[in-house]
Amino acid sequence: DVKVTQSSRYLVKRTGEKVFLECVQDMDHENMFWYRQDPGLGLRLIYFSYDVKMKEKGDIPEGYSVSREKKERFSLILESASTNQTSMYLCASSLPPGTGVIGVQYFGPGTRLTVT
Amino acid sequence: DQQVKQNSPSLSVQEGRISILNCDYTNSMFDYFLWYKKYPAEGPTFLISISSIKDKNEDGRFTVFLNKSAKHLSLHIVPSQPGDSAVYFCAVVTHQGAQKLVFGQGTRLTINP
Repeated sequence: DVKVTQSSRYLVKRTGEKVFLECVQDMDHENMFWYRQDPGLGLRLIYFSYDVKMKEKGDIPEGYSVSREKKERFSLILESASTNQTSMYLCASSLPPGTGVIGVQYFGPGTRLTVT
Repeated sequence: DQQVKQNSPSLSVQEGRISILNCDYTNSMFDYFLWYKKYPAEGPTFLISISSIKDKNEDGRFTVFLNKSAKHLSLHIVPSQPGDSAVYFCAVVTHQGAQKLVFGQGTRLTINP
């Protein structure tokens, strides 16, 4: 079974703090993703990575950065947290195309971040 | 600009009846479509998918229908069970190489006993 773990289930931070959200997958997946989930907006892609040290912006990258130093670990960084970054953050991983059903991603349980 | 839309935020269905969840997309070039299911306090899990070369794909109680001319897909659950109560997201693959997805807003399905 694929396992994607996220470092915290709940996190409370103050405005202006630097925040690190960690994600680890144990299935040697090439691709990793960070989303945020907000009511009425669904899941929106922040950043993704298709290989170690390779990253690309998703649909809403502003205010975020990422780091992927090792294949199994993908970190999301909020350089200076703001209240509009209060959200549920979900990490996912997937195999490259040709190795399974196209588009299947495996998600972690999520981190509920509150910025006050 | 919403590429994938689920216009019903919620749906309530009686146990044993059919649940039909709908999804519309804007780009006729999309080739792969998926449905994910999400329970509270858990991440989404893959449910069923369909490629643009088909108009129907079935897996047990779950069937996905694709109407390419209308740019519309739907998920049918028959018969609906209480354990099906969850939020359902449709998604399209926008970049096959990176397995990149765009998700709809989600529909909260409640199955009433």
